Amino acid sequence: DQQVKQNSPSLSVQEGRISILNCDYTNSMFDYFLWYKKYPAEGPTFLISISSIKDKNEDGRFTVFLNKSAKHLSLHIVPSQPGDSAVYFCAASAIKAAGNKLTFGGGTRVLVKP
Amino acid sequence: DAGVIQSPRHEVTEMGQEVTLRCKPISGHNSLFWYRQTMMRGLELLIYFNNNVPIDDSGMPEDRFSAKMPNASFSTLKIQPSEPRDSAVYFCASSHTLQGVKLFFGSGTQLSVL
Repeated sequence: DQQVKQNSPSLSVQEGRISILNCDYTNSMFDYFLWYKKYPAEGPTFLISISSIKDKNEDGRFTVFLNKSAKHLSLHIVPSQPGDSAVYFCAASAIKAAGNKLTFGGGTRVLVKP
Repeated sequence: DAGVIQSPRHEVTEMGQEVTLRCKPISGHNSLFWYRQTMMRGLELLIYFNNNVPIDDSGMPEDRFSAKMPNASFSTLKIQPSEPRDSAVYFCASSHTLQGVKLFFGSGTQLSVL
């Protein structure tokens, strides 16, 4: 039973355009959400996060939106750059209930075309 | 800061052999996580430790898998006997409970069981 789902396994976007990655979760105990970026042959690296008390968090070209009622979050990358080509993982944590372990989605592979 | 260090980077073994994966967490971190990445299941949590004590091993697939953390700077994940379906990338990650849920990942061990 996957508690965090990324339904789009891949995404192709033109350089300079917006990339939108989606993530859905089922566990209502989740109260903190993160996005990780992964290049081939490397470990995932932290990108951006959001607490459940917020609905938006922005860091440069990256913005995460959280819709708690829909149990949905999204990552916007604008403008997209070729260096953004990677696999992006959505992750969630139930800090109060389960400590600091993260549950990950299956990942979305993003290809930014020059 | 050397980051999380995993060894070996690649391991090729034959079915039935014992495999030991090693991890050195970031100095000062008190939580350590073992994840496995496969095409089918994405990044799944196998086990995690707080202050060297196993907290949640519900993700360990079978009794063939075992993990230890004898001290704050070293952990092992052992598979005995190994099977072809264990082939995956195994990641170790660490964090500090007082710094939230942001995990820092190693580069992973690519395991191939023939």
